[in-house]
Amino acid sequence: EAQVTQNPRYLITVTGKKLTVTCSQNMNHEYMSWYRQDPGLGLRQIYYSMNVEVTDKGDVPEGYKVSRKEKRNFPLILESPSPNQTSLYFCASSRGASVPYNEQFFGPGTRLTVL
Amino acid sequence: DAKTTQPNSMESNEEEPVHLPCNHSTISGTDYIHWYRQLPSQGPEYVIHGLTSNVNNRMASLAIAEDRKSSTLILHRATLRDAAVYYCIRHTGANSKLTFGKGITLSVRP
Repeated sequence: EAQVTQNPRYLITVTGKKLTVTCSQNMNHEYMSWYRQDPGLGLRQIYYSMNVEVTDKGDVPEGYKVSRKEKRNFPLILESPSPNQTSLYFCASSRGASVPYNEQFFGPGTRLTVL
Repeated sequence: DAKTTQPNSMESNEEEPVHLPCNHSTISGTDYIHWYRQLPSQGPEYVIHGLTSNVNNRMASLAIAEDRKSSTLILHRATLRDAAVYYCIRHTGANSKLTFGKGITLSVRP
């Protein structure tokens, strides 16, 4: 089954404790992206990757890191999480960045709480 | 700035058609209109997209105004499973970023 998977689905952590949220897709997609969703603010892009070893900042990259060493994986790293990073996080992938290849497939989400 | 405007909510009866409006009066000539929906406790899901002509797929139809300043997503026969938040999005950049607004919450009555 074609899908985007994220782990963990739920995470409660404390301020400053480094964490990684994994994202993997099995569709051989070139484009991958991370979003966070907050009430009243919609989904906002954190980072994106056009292909392996190519990453770039989205609208809200502060406090996050990403890497794209393999095509299928795009982990999101929080080196020193803070309470304002409490949010619902979504990973997404698409064949490419431009129409008609940019239909994005989203993962199920990771709900992160930073105390 | 999502650059699209949608009503906050809409109600429909099951098995009736639903028309979800979206205004994008500042759209440029190369911007596509995409619709995604988000079911409760799930990630967003692609519905349809278009540029100038009306579009149909298995999920819905997209009617785009001739001046492209507005569009309407049409669900031909609403089901309970169609209850979701529907997002109308302008695709403006080469990085495929989707700028989600608040969307419109569709409720479907049995």
